[in-house]
Amino acid sequence: EIVLTQSPGTLASSLGERATLSCGASESVSSTYLAWYQQKPGQAPRLLIYGASSRATGIPDRFSGSGSGTEFTLTIRRLEPEDFAVYFCQHYGGSPRVTFGGGTRVEIK
Amino acid sequence: QVQLQESGPGLVKPSQTLSLTCTVSGASIRSGRYFWNWIRQPAGKPLEWIGLIYTSGSTYYNPSLKSRVTMSVDTSKNQFSLKLNSVTATDTAVYYCARQSDIYGDFDYWGQGTLVVVSS
Repeated sequence: EIVLTQSPGTLASSLGERATLSCGASESVSSTYLAWYQQKPGQAPRLLIYGASSRATGIPDRFSGSGSGTEFTLTIRRLEPEDFAVYFCQHYGGSPRVTFGGGTRVEIK
Repeated sequence: QVQLQESGPGLVKPSQTLSLTCTVSGASIRSGRYFWNWIRQPAGKPLEWIGLIYTSGSTYYNPSLKSRVTMSVDTSKNQFSLKLNSVTATDTAVYYCARQSDIYGDFDYWGQGTLVVVSS
């Protein structure tokens, strides 16, 4: 079973700053099946990134994804007020099986 | 546009069966390009995948829940359903239905979620 570990658990940042969120896999995974989501209180998750680096429809270009193997990164280039939320990574693997990371909360410093 | 909507009781007694239905609009559930999933989230906790169903009716469940989960699909109503039996308080969560791409495995459309509380 693949385990996704996200770090940090909480990231305190200021408006306009760059935020870097990490997602580590317990074993090497295909980047094709790695996605990132944003979730705000009381809302369903929203797809941001699929295939590790492709932005979903309507997602601003300040969001970017990168990585391969066991290390993946979500970068928010300049934090806007609406970006303060919880972010999850997700992997789809064999069996089939879906795994989510524990999440990173991005909060205002 | 594509919309998913969960429906079902918001309160279930311990040891009973939780039953939810997801109604899909704006897209045909018969499309072979997608899988149909249930995901849950206890308050303040991460997302937990429950399982998926293909249009053909084939199902795959999270091993940790497999013994208690049954999913089904009704293509005539454009719906799919979840049954979770022998529930306990630890099954209290917001339950989401979601559409999953068969190419990248990502979830592109989600229902708004429905809170199910297990309590006597």
